[in-house]
Amino acid sequence: EVQLVESGGGLVQPGRSLKLSCLASGFTFSNYGMNWIRQAPGKGLEWVASISSSSSYIYYADTVKGRFTISRDNAKNTLYLQMTSLRSEDTALYYCARRSRWAPFDYWGQGVMVTVSS
Amino acid sequence: EIVLTQSPTTTAASPGEKVTITCLASSSVSNMYWYQQKSGASPKLLIYSTSSLASGVPDRFSGSGSGTSYSLTINTMEAEDAATYYCQQWSSNPPTFGSGTKLEIK
Repeated sequence: EVQLVESGGGLVQPGRSLKLSCLASGFTFSNYGMNWIRQAPGKGLEWVASISSSSSYIYYADTVKGRFTISRDNAKNTLYLQMTSLRSEDTALYYCARRSRWAPFDYWGQGVMVTVSS
Repeated sequence: EIVLTQSPTTTAASPGEKVTITCLASSSVSNMYWYQQKSGASPKLLIYSTSSLASGVPDRFSGSGSGTSYSLTINTMEAEDAATYYCQQWSSNPPTFGSGTKLEIK
């Protein structure tokens, strides 16, 4: 069974940093591209970043480019999102999602909440 | 960036009723994906490659469309289908989602 478990969220002040993790299990992590997608409270879904299976290709949404860094450790089956210079508008539930051959986001984690507030 | 416009924003259907949700793209896309998000839960892949059902999805769900116009249809509404539905494209970067359609049961 595919499982994606995010962690590392919390309350952080504007301008500070936070690092999210997503532990994958139930599939061969190193064979799949991965993504971060976020959902602000009561709002829709916003793609944040993507990374290919070998980290060769990385893409970011313009809203986070230069502030967020996506990375992965295939030996640890873990996806990361390093977030710096956080703003109030980054407040959201952050999901990691797997990319497969047939769908960009075929499995999703349960999400981890990030709240940026003073 | 391709903008996806969903309609209706909110709708309600009685059990057994047919429901259709539309997704219009600001530019032509080659495929559309649909996700279902129930209250308090993570999104779940429903339809991939415009019309293929994801694993475990009941066959009362179907997807169709091409170019700039796509739709998700629930043939016979059931109470468990109450959720918010999102369309999504990745024919061009960045991948984008529609703003969602909230479907309620009457």
